[in-house]
Amino acid sequence: GAVVSQHPSWVICKSGTSVKIECRSLDFQATTMFWYRQFPKQSLMLMATSNEGSKATYEQGVEKDKFLINHASLTLSTLTVTSAHPEDSSFYICSEPRGVGYGYTFGSGTRLTVV
Amino acid sequence: QQPVQSPQAVILREGEDAVINCSSSKALYSVHWYRQKHGEAPVFLMILLKGGEQKGHEKISASFNEKKQQSSLYLTASQLSYSGTYFCGTEAGANNLFFGTGTRLTVIP
Repeated sequence: GAVVSQHPSWVICKSGTSVKIECRSLDFQATTMFWYRQFPKQSLMLMATSNEGSKATYEQGVEKDKFLINHASLTLSTLTVTSAHPEDSSFYICSEPRGVGYGYTFGSGTRLTVV
Repeated sequence: QQPVQSPQAVILREGEDAVINCSSSKALYSVHWYRQKHGEAPVFLMILLKGGEQKGHEKISASFNEKKQQSSLYLTASQLSYSGTYFCGTEAGANNLFFGTGTRLTVIP
């Protein structure tokens, strides 16, 4: 089946440092990748849309300079949380659309804890 | 833009049925349904593309009322494995999937 590989699965970092999360499509060339954030017991909130070869589109309220997205190839999209703070601790997850009628496939998620 | 789901939580005994509703304030292009287990990624269940469409797989089915901007997920003869949080996802335009508020389903023996 469709596979999106997301790394790392979890990361603990110190406040003020940056963390990079990678999502790699193993069997599909995704021109678009979506990045979500999920706080405990809450829904997934769309942060941004990553487009291969162009700038990402950010949802209202999401800081572009803090959450850097790069989609340099059809198979790899990255999210970098810059100058992380404890309030950035969350579950970050990527997903890619699989075509009309096929839904979205999700990465396994990255649990970020900022201490 | 977040769709609203009801109920927020439900507890069932094995074999019982449940209905989860999803309502949007915007006109919908499609409705997705996902199930998420604790600490895991959401898993795609099904997608409905046309108003009036109904779809199912085994004992899980869904309907989409385009005019009312609503969708419902039906779980029949629930099994322990059905436990998890169910999310609807709606696309109001080009390719942006917004998730609903979620419904936590617990199936007990």
